Amino acid sequence: DAKTTQPNSMESNEEEPVHLPCNHSTISGTDYIHWYRQLPSQGPEYVIHGLTSNVNNRMASLAIAEDRKSSTLILHRATLRDAAVYYCILKGETSGSRLTFGEGTQLTVNP
Amino acid sequence: KAGVTQTPRYLIKTRGQQVTLSCSPISGHRSVSWYQQTPGQGLQFLFEYFSETQRNKGNFPGRFSGRQFSNSRSEMNVSTLELGDSALYLCASSLYAGATYEQYFGPGTRLTVT
Repeated sequence: DAKTTQPNSMESNEEEPVHLPCNHSTISGTDYIHWYRQLPSQGPEYVIHGLTSNVNNRMASLAIAEDRKSSTLILHRATLRDAAVYYCILKGETSGSRLTFGEGTQLTVNP
Repeated sequence: KAGVTQTPRYLIKTRGQQVTLSCSPISGHRSVSWYQQTPGQGLQFLFEYFSETQRNKGNFPGRFSGRQFSNSRSEMNVSTLELGDSALYLCASSLYAGATYEQYFGPGTRLTVT
């Protein structure tokens, strides 16, 4: 699986938007970009995924660069409950269900 | 729809013993994956099952094994436990295996080996 690079930590204020970046310069044409997050003392939670176009769901938006070498997870209004480790993961056709987790980004949300 | 359930939630075992952990996927999901999470190594993929067949295996010794039943429920077994096997073991299910499918994780089984 291609590698992703994320900042170790980011900080945000409650009710402000948060933009979490992810670089994946070696992404292949068939790799999907997945985001998961892990809240303290819980299992990881699916957030969103996409291939080429920007995606929106009730939790977040995913903005994918035109060359697909980077993407940004957008939380439109951070809440204290959004404090978690966010993982950006590439899944290719040969990955099956396997997720290769990196270090992720620890998001701190200040009240 | 009920989420992924894992039993037991907590387990304490002694070095040298073996342990079996159980995972019930979301109803209708056919793919089950297992992960180990430790403070030092983070989240690491153990193996994946789809339609009772192991499709992918991570880089773990043969002491770690698993299986999937016809109802998609899965078990993983660790034999000859070592202190380093102390970890949170997470199970995840998805509708099918593939790059486009999201996975749903259970709460995990916390295994402590003494």
